[in-house]
Amino acid sequence: AQSVTQPDIHITVSEGASLELRCNYSYGATPYLFWYVQSPGQGLQLLLKYFSGDTLVQGIKGFEAEFKRSQSSFNLRKPSVHWSDAAEYFCAVGPPYNQGGKLIFGQGTELSVKP
Amino acid sequence: GAGVSQTPSNKVTEKGKYVELRCDPISGHTALYWYRQSLGQGPEFLIYFQGTGAADDSGLPNDRFFAVRPEGSVSTLKIQRTERGDSAVYLCASSRSGGDEQFFGPGTRLTVL
Repeated sequence: AQSVTQPDIHITVSEGASLELRCNYSYGATPYLFWYVQSPGQGLQLLLKYFSGDTLVQGIKGFEAEFKRSQSSFNLRKPSVHWSDAAEYFCAVGPPYNQGGKLIFGQGTELSVKP
Repeated sequence: GAGVSQTPSNKVTEKGKYVELRCDPISGHTALYWYRQSLGQGPEFLIYFQGTGAADDSGLPNDRFFAVRPEGSVSTLKIQRTERGDSAVYLCASSRSGGDEQFFGPGTRLTVL
């Protein structure tokens, strides 16, 4: 079955500290992988995506993610968190590029940032 | 340019009533998706349109839910005989083509009393 697991429901980090949000997936083929961020009352904003090529991808707002095929993981990282990064983060998988179709989302990880 | 827009932003209705939720995709995007997000959960897929036709409606929970996209642009999600369990945020997304990045609208928050 296709699924996405985000093991951490809620994470709190201090401002300036590093961040890693975990994402594991189950999918038949190598999927198209995404991280989205959702602030309260806002829509989903794409942070970054991966389909092929370099397994370390850079996104907006200083985020990066690393695809590890052997671990079926696509963890999101940021070296120094800012208070404005407090939000809900969703990992998602979709069909390989150009094949079209639905995204499967994880449950989300809520990030709180301490001053 | 303009992003995906959804109307209304909020909809409160009574159990058993009929509701329509509208999605205006980004101009030129051929693919359109509906998702439903319940409190504390990630979005769940409902239906995917490629042009005017539904390419995948496997996520519609039952026959009370129906969606149309008659001219390949605007889409309407229709829910008959609403139930309290239908309360959620309904998200619409569009993409240039079926396999491209999906851009999400702000959602419609549906509350069924």
